[in-house]
Amino acid sequence: ETGVTQTPRHLVMGMTNKKSLKCEQHLGHNAMYWYKQSAKKPLELMFVYSLEERVENNSVPSRFSPECPNSSHLFLHLHTLQPEDSALYLCASSSRSGGAGDTQYFGPGTRLTVL
Amino acid sequence: AQTVTQSQPEMSVQEAETVTLSCTYDTSENNYYLFWYKQPPSRQMILVIRQEAYKQQNATENRFSVNFQKAAKSFSLKISDSQLGDTAMYFCAFMNWGAQKLVFGQGTRLTINP
Repeated sequence: ETGVTQTPRHLVMGMTNKKSLKCEQHLGHNAMYWYKQSAKKPLELMFVYSLEERVENNSVPSRFSPECPNSSHLFLHLHTLQPEDSALYLCASSSRSGGAGDTQYFGPGTRLTVL
Repeated sequence: AQTVTQSQPEMSVQEAETVTLSCTYDTSENNYYLFWYKQPPSRQMILVIRQEAYKQQNATENRFSVNFQKAAKSFSLKISDSQLGDTAMYFCAFMNWGAQKLVFGQGTRLTINP
C-alpha cells in the first residue's frame, strides 16, 4: 500500500460502544494528525503527534483518545460518543522539518455514524 | 487566531472553461504557507498547490495557478481548461511558519459540466 490508509472506511456505533479508528502512513513521515470533518463546518484539527509525542490537543473531549505507538501508525479510540460526533474523520501525515510548512498528506477518511 | 474564508459555497462551469475560486485569510504573521486542497467524492483530500508567503512569484502546477496578493490577504485558485475530473470540494488552508496546524476554509463545491 502507498500513501496514507485508514480503516475502517465506514463505522456505525451505538453511544455505549467502544471502537477504534486506525491510520497507517507509508511515506516515511514523522508527524501524524487527526482531523474531524462535519457537515457545513471547516475541517477541525483534533490531535497532532510529532515523533510519536502528542504536541497539540485542540480541546477535544476525553471520549476521543489518540494513540501513536510508532511513526507509521495512529489510532483514535472512541467511547461513549454522542450523535453529534458523527462525521468524517481524516488522518494525515507529514515530515517534520521545522518551519518548512510541511505538506500534509491525507487518508481517505472513516465515515463515523453514532446512533 | 488565523481564519480562512471562502466566499463561494458552490460554483459550476462548463468543461474546458476557466474558473477562479476565491480565498481570503486573516493573520498578523509575515511568514506562512497557503494551500489549496481538493476533495473529490472519493473523500481523499489531495494537495493541489501550495504557496510560500515569502515568495512573490505565484505558484503554478500544470492547469492550476494561484493569484497570491499578500497585502490584500487573498489567495485565489485558477483552474484553466477545466476537466470533468476537477469536480470536487476545494479547500483553502493556512499554516503558520514553523507550525503544524492547518486552518481550513469552509470549502467551495465545484462542478464541471460536460
